[in-house]
Amino acid sequence: QKEVEQDPGPLSVPEGAIVSLNCTYSNSAFQYFMWYRQYSRKGPELLMYTYSSGNKEDGRFTAQVDKSSKYISLFIRDSQPSDSATYLCAMSFNSGNTPLVFGKGTRLSVIA
Amino acid sequence: DAGVTQSPTHLIKTRGQQVTLRCSPKSGHDTVSWYQQALGQGPQFIFQYYEEEERQRGNFPDRFSGHQFPNYSSELNVNALLLGDSALYLCASSLPGLTYNEQFFGPGTRLTVL
Repeated sequence: QKEVEQDPGPLSVPEGAIVSLNCTYSNSAFQYFMWYRQYSRKGPELLMYTYSSGNKEDGRFTAQVDKSSKYISLFIRDSQPSDSATYLCAMSFNSGNTPLVFGKGTRLSVIA
Repeated sequence: DAGVTQSPTHLIKTRGQQVTLRCSPKSGHDTVSWYQQALGQGPQFIFQYYEEEERQRGNFPDRFSGHQFPNYSSELNVNALLLGDSALYLCASSLPGLTYNEQFFGPGTRLTVL
């Protein structure tokens, strides 16, 4: 079993839809949870990070962490064609510069 | 601010050859991490450099080595290339410290091994 599981998709939704992206993990020692967006031929860019359990909102994006279920989610409201990208969940054991452990990524297409 | 830069953009090598990839961190960052991203996979941590020393290492063989220079830039070297080394190699830079530090990624170097 991989440490971080993420459905690779692809996921295709109409413009304006609410998108739900999810990851599960096996190691309860993870404390920091991140979502990265990666456009084709680009490096990942950080969208959201959360420490421990709880919700965090930033504009159209909401990140949720449920440590009891070892489950994290990213919701995108009012999705736009510009949101079409691969979304990677990542997590780390500690703060500072501990290595990130990534999921496979979910490829999202938002159709106009 | 130039962000994280990597060179070259693309590289084609044959099995058994050696390759060197380069990374310049974001201005003010002194910690550099390298990741390998195979097609359709998430990035996998190779190693991290801080103060010109390898501080942490992932599950990669000794064929993968690196270096950090006094200006914080870094190189990733891969010897005896295998077909399975074909991937996007990502460099990420960050600040040191005990609190959460965002890792900023460069655009990557795409390595193809024939």
